This record gives sequence, C-alpha cells and structure tokens, in this order.
Amino acid sequence: AQTVTQSQPEMSVQEAETVTLSCTYDTSESNYYLFWYKQPPSRQMILVIRQEAYKQQNATENRFSVNFQKAAKSFSLKISDSQLGDTAMYFCAFMIGRMRFGAGTRLTVKP
Amino acid sequence: DAMVIQNPRYQVTQFGKPVTLSCSQTLNHNVMYWYQQKSSQAPKLLFHYYDKDFNNEADTPDNFQSRRPNTSFCFLDIRSPGLGDAAMYLCATSRTTGLVTDTQYFGPGTRLTVL
Repeated sequence: AQTVTQSQPEMSVQEAETVTLSCTYDTSESNYYLFWYKQPPSRQMILVIRQEAYKQQNATENRFSVNFQKAAKSFSLKISDSQLGDTAMYFCAFMIGRMRFGAGTRLTVKP
Repeated sequence: DAMVIQNPRYQVTQFGKPVTLSCSQTLNHNVMYWYQQKSSQAPKLLFHYYDKDFNNEADTPDNFQSRRPNTSFCFLDIRSPGLGDAAMYLCATSRTTGLVTDTQYFGPGTRLTVL
C-alpha cells in the first residue's frame, strides 16, 4: 500500500522560532514527487514546496526547507523564522499517478 | 495570473435537491480533479479527468457525477445530496505528460451546506 503518515496531529511554535513537521511514506516505486501543502483557515490549499525523488538535493523555498531521506522514506518540513501567517494545516503528499495525502498537522504560531 | 477558480464559494442546498459546482482554470492543464474534504481531514479524491477521459475512484458514490465540456471547465454534479455530503469541495489541476504528473494546483474550494 502507498501511504503517507504524519505523526504529529498538532504542533505549536513561538513566532520567529524554527519548527519541523515530520512525514513518512511507503512506496515501492523509485520515481515520484513529494509535496508539502499549506491550508490556512481560509481553506485554500497552497503549495509550499516540492521535491522530486530522483534529486538528492533538498528543496528550499525561502524560509521553508525539507529534509528528504529517500532510503528512510522520510520527508520532513522545516519552517524557519516562523510567522503568524504560517498558522495553518500542513499536508504532506506524494504523487505516483494520483496524489496521496497524509492526515495533516495543524500548526499554530504563537506571538 | 493563471489560476483555478471555483464558483460559488458557498453553496446551500436542500436535502435531495440536485446541485452543481463549477471549476475553471486558466493554466491550460490537461488533468482536472475533484476532491471532497471534511473538517480537519485530508482531501479525498472523488474522480479526475485526464483530457476527456473520466477516471472514477472505486469508492466514490454514484450520487456524484462530473462533466468536462472543454479543457478549461469541469463540473461536479451531486444528484441527490444527503446530509453526509456537506463538505468542502476542492478542484485541482495538473499537467501530465506520459507517465509523469506534475504538481496539483488547487482552487479556493466550494463549501457545500445541505439543509
């Protein structure tokens, strides 16, 4: 089965600090895409960062970076210098033919 | 800006009264998806169109249908909404070439209320 597991249903972080959201997945495929999506209370799903499985270099987008460990099937998201606007539900997902989402982690950034 | 647009943003219908949700895109993507998302849950794929080819998920109820008259538009029809169909409905698009499917881009969603 191809599954995505986010083991942290809820997390909180102080503004300006760093937080890491964990994600593991299971697949026997070797080529796929991995994603982190953010869904604020307004509910629009927004792409945060994307990683291609065949690339060893970890993707980075401004304050967002990933730690991709292909052998361990781990894909964590690090948010540096957290801002109040980062408060949202974060979904880890991977795509092989169809998108498979984790259950989500609700992140609250506290002032 | 290229985008995925969903109308209406909020829809209220009565139990059993058919309802149609719409999605349009200016990204010229060949794949369009419909997801159902209930509160605090991950989106659940209902079906998708790969160009004109309709692909239904095995567990999508027959009550849900879809139409894609052209590349830009896709509709979700709920023939007889039940209380359990109250949810956020998300439309997404992606570009697929051969076996490779790229990033999905989501619309803002339509929140459906069933009275």
